[in-house]
Amino acid sequence: DIQMTQIPSTLSASVGDRVTITCRASQSISGWLAWYQQKPGKAPNLLIYEASSLENGVPSRFSGSGSGTEFTLTISSLQPDDFATYYCQQYNSLWTFGQGTKVEIK
Amino acid sequence: QVQLVESGGGVVQPGGSLRVSCVASGFTFSSYGMQWVRQAPGKGLEWVAFIAYDSIKQYYADSVKGRFTASRDNSKNTLFLQMNSLRTDDAAVYYCAKDIRRDGNRYFDYWGQGTLVTVAS
Repeated sequence: DIQMTQIPSTLSASVGDRVTITCRASQSISGWLAWYQQKPGKAPNLLIYEASSLENGVPSRFSGSGSGTEFTLTISSLQPDDFATYYCQQYNSLWTFGQGTKVEIK
Repeated sequence: QVQLVESGGGVVQPGGSLRVSCVASGFTFSSYGMQWVRQAPGKGLEWVAFIAYDSIKQYYADSVKGRFTASRDNSKNTLFLQMNSLRTDDAAVYYCAKDIRRDGNRYFDYWGQGTLVTVAS
């Protein structure tokens, strides 16, 4: 089974900050990685697929990069609506989520 | 617009059974693979099961294999998850999600709002 590890688990940041979340796979997943945003009490929402492709309607301040075993999600200028938990997901072999990264207000 | 609406959650005793449903609208249900994902209270997301558009391919997480069965009725645009031999660690919000492909192996572009399953005596 492929394990996904997100770093950090919690991140404190201010509006306007540049934020980066890292996701590492236990083996190569090529570019088969998605990122989701989840707010409390709500379903996850797709942000990025195939490591770097922005889903329709997602603000351009979100971007993804990486391949193989190391990936990043970057928010270029954090907005109030972005305080949430973010999950990476591999779909190279079945599906596995990272444990999540909570982005909190500093 | 795409909508996925889960139902059927509730309280069940350990060892019991429950079937949750997901009614889809706004897309051609019979053309897409569907997924079940769960989230225990205060925890992260855990993939549970996949069923292909024609029900032929099915995959399950090791944690539920042999106990849970996904099925679908394409004539009624409805997805099901039959959960047997429930354990306390199966307690979670269960989400259905739409895969972008009919045979899976991709990401999920739409999710339902979830249905809560509580396992307690």
